[in-house]
Amino acid sequence: AQSVTQPDIHITVSEGASLELRCNYSYGATPYLFWYVQSPGQGLQLLLKYFSGDTLVQGIKGFEAEFKRSQSSFNLRKPSVHWSDAAEYFCAVDGSARQLTFGSGTQLTVLP
Amino acid sequence: DTEVTQTPKHLVMGMTNKKSLKCEQHMGHRAMYWYKQKAKKPPELMFVYSYEKLSINESVPSRFSPECPNSSLLNLHLHALQPEDSALYLCASSQDHPLGSGSRGYTFGSGTRLTVV
Repeated sequence: AQSVTQPDIHITVSEGASLELRCNYSYGATPYLFWYVQSPGQGLQLLLKYFSGDTLVQGIKGFEAEFKRSQSSFNLRKPSVHWSDAAEYFCAVDGSARQLTFGSGTQLTVLP
Repeated sequence: DTEVTQTPKHLVMGMTNKKSLKCEQHMGHRAMYWYKQKAKKPPELMFVYSYEKLSINESVPSRFSPECPNSSLLNLHLHALQPEDSALYLCASSQDHPLGSGSRGYTFGSGTRLTVV
């Protein structure tokens, strides 16, 4: 079975500060990994995805994520957060089940 | 066209009503999905269609009835819903590979906000 854990329910950072959102997955092999962002009342927007190859993945809006097989992690990072980044962030995994399983999400608050 | 379009965006229905949610994509994706998302929770998978055939039903109550008339359309028929069914219903599509290999990207629609009164 595949599963995803996002340990941080809520993170608060100041605008301009760096950001790291944690994601750990459980799956027997290397899964497909995704980060999505969701603003209130909106659908899901794909930030980035990892399928294979280079373990550092670049996404939209200045986000990047690093796949670490030894730690079963796929953490999302951004060097300088903007107020518009405030939203809910979901990590998701797609393994042999050929369907997306989401983590519980991390709510990001950005202070001015 | 790289979008998944869902209609309507908002829907209010009574517990005795029958309504349908519609989802459309023209990316040639052969797998389509319905997810249900309650407030402050992650999306939960309801149904998966692969090549227009229902492949996964995550023990969803029969008051939710999916339909895939063709490779571009996915409907969710609603009947006799309960107030606890109020949620955001998300449709997604992906390029499905029969052998389960290859990269898959998922595209989500903006959802239908359903309120059952």
